[in-house]
Amino acid sequence: DTGVSQDPRHKITKRGQNVTFRCDPISEHNRLYWYRQTLGQGPEFLTYFQNEAQLEKSRLLSDRFSAERPKGSFSTLEIQRTEQGDSAMYLCASSFGLARDEQFFGPGTRLTVL
Amino acid sequence: GQQVMQIPQYQHVQEGEDFTTYCNSSTTLSNIQWYKQRPGGHPVFLIQLVKSGEVKKQKRLTFQFGEAKKNSSLHITATQTTDVGTYFCAGVGSGNTGKLIFGQGTTLQVKP
Repeated sequence: DTGVSQDPRHKITKRGQNVTFRCDPISEHNRLYWYRQTLGQGPEFLTYFQNEAQLEKSRLLSDRFSAERPKGSFSTLEIQRTEQGDSAMYLCASSFGLARDEQFFGPGTRLTVL
Repeated sequence: GQQVMQIPQYQHVQEGEDFTTYCNSSTTLSNIQWYKQRPGGHPVFLIQLVKSGEVKKQKRLTFQFGEAKKNSSLHITATQTTDVGTYFCAGVGSGNTGKLIFGQGTTLQVKP
């Protein structure tokens, strides 16, 4: 399967713990996006990478959140000191080089904070 | 900030009936994309509309982009059980990031 992959698919953690998610985009895609989706809502944009450069971060992304894409390939999203409000599906998407290109979404990581 | 509203939130139809979901943006959009998310799945790209007044068809699905490029609709003719899922419109944000501003989605249930 050469689509977008995410790991883990599910994560249950206790409040205050740190968690890290990984996204492997489609190999030839330059653009990588992270979104967060809660039940009954559409995905909300979190951050965007063009190759290894993080070019935009949403105001939703508090200082407890950090994302990296060190070599312009896979990306990680870390949440420090998790809170119950962080419980959501975290989706990664990738696309080719243009802003208008369709985005290919991964299966997501479902985070539950107890 | 830019907002995209979508109605209705839910729609239950009998198989064979038609279905329409509507999308409105608070600002003029450069283009709009539509995605489908099956229960338990992730969003999958359906189509992109770019031009004012554009109409595109995919089999039983018809997509329209308003003349003012602030609204859009998806119409499904003669629904089938395979159409079940949540349909999202997404405006492409300003600037060059390509970030998507999603509507809340319309969840379609089809009774056989």
